[in-house]
Amino acid sequence: KNQVEQSPQSLIILEGKNCTLQCNYTVSPFSNLRWYKQDTGRGPVSLTIMTFSENTKSNGRYTATLDADTKQSSLHITASQLSDSASYICVVSAYASGGGADGLTFGKGTHLIIQP
Amino acid sequence: DVKVTQSSRYLVKRTGEKVFLECVQDMDHENMFWYRQDPGLGLRLIYFSYDVKMKEKGDIPEGYSVSREKKERFSLILESASTNQTSMYLCASSMRDSSYNLPLHFGNGTRLTVT
Repeated sequence: KNQVEQSPQSLIILEGKNCTLQCNYTVSPFSNLRWYKQDTGRGPVSLTIMTFSENTKSNGRYTATLDADTKQSSLHITASQLSDSASYICVVSAYASGGGADGLTFGKGTHLIIQP
Repeated sequence: DVKVTQSSRYLVKRTGEKVFLECVQDMDHENMFWYRQDPGLGLRLIYFSYDVKMKEKGDIPEGYSVSREKKERFSLILESASTNQTSMYLCASSMRDSSYNLPLHFGNGTRLTVT
């Protein structure tokens, strides 16, 4: 069964500090790994999508890494800001018969709180 | 920017009512999806559609149906609402892509409470 595990469940850090969120997966056949940010009361917004051949991808202060051998990914946030307070969801895509997105397995998310 | 609009942010319905959740996207996307999001469970796929009048069951279709009469609109129907359908419902859309590498674009959700 395809699974995506995220850790920690929740995290509190001070503004300006860095943090790293983890994602482990058992999804086959692997297509890509995505990180989404979900602000409270809003829908998720895509941060990065990484395919098998990509090790690192950045989006501003967000840097995602992927180790396809160990089936692990991390999302590193640099110099955190209050606006980074959100849930971060790891989503792994398996090749599927249709348009692809029905083969998605969602993690339960890490709830990040940035304190001033 | 892609815009996915869900018609209601909050809905309160009574048990047994028929409930319609509407979703419209403005980017001519082929794929549309309905998810529900519950604390501790993450997002779960209810139904999806790859084209007009096409629909496919997701992981938890029981108690739901969908309608896609126009490309831009995807409706979720709760035939007879029950309290265990109290949840946040998220609609999403994406382009059809053979590489499977395009993101989903989500609406801001409808929080449904069934009493």
